[in-house]
Amino acid sequence: DTAVSQTPKYLVTQMGNDKSIKCEQNLGHDTMYWYKQDSKKFLKIMFSYNNKELIINETVPNRFSPKSPDKAHLNLHINSLELGDSAVYFCASSQGVLYEQYFGPGTRLTVT
Amino acid sequence: DQQVKQNSPSLSVQEGRISILNCDYTNSMFDYFLWYKKYPAEGPTFLISISSIKDKNEDGRFTVFLNKSAKHLSLHIVPSQPGDSAVYFCAAPLVGSNYKLTFGKGTLLTVNP
Repeated sequence: DTAVSQTPKYLVTQMGNDKSIKCEQNLGHDTMYWYKQDSKKFLKIMFSYNNKELIINETVPNRFSPKSPDKAHLNLHINSLELGDSAVYFCASSQGVLYEQYFGPGTRLTVT
Repeated sequence: DQQVKQNSPSLSVQEGRISILNCDYTNSMFDYFLWYKKYPAEGPTFLISISSIKDKNEDGRFTVFLNKSAKHLSLHIVPSQPGDSAVYFCAAPLVGSNYKLTFGKGTLLTVNP
């Protein structure tokens, strides 16, 4: 039973394309997150939703748009992909804003 | 601006010995710290945490020490096992920012049999 799952695990696409990454958690948590781990290995928060409401929105390009259809899902849509978007994207969840977050396995995005 | 720093990118120890992973922070507003462990091709998993009202927290082979005056914390693993080989991240939530977690860059621990 996967607690936090992401699809796809790998995504290779060309510059200018639009792509989506899906995330689902079955832990009953009400807060979900998107992180980006870049080539320098830093894990940086991008967005966070609590009960489907956006509570953290870091300085990311407008091309990135999160969508939370319900508490168990948080999807990430990226428009007009650029080379610099290549990274591993992690979804995570927690109960409330508790510090212990549970991470998904990551989606490795490669933009060519 | 790195508020959480892990200055050692890697550490190698022998099985059975102690592993000590270090983390420094600059923001005195941090009052809670977490360690995450990450295997290749997997997401980070929560390992252990410590509140700033304590200076030590122990969970089995894992102990985290906090030195507030030095703005330094360390994770001790005793005895180290080959399965502990992973990247270890130090993290801290920033109060007042919806508890946004700030991560260090990670330290790759290799435990040799």
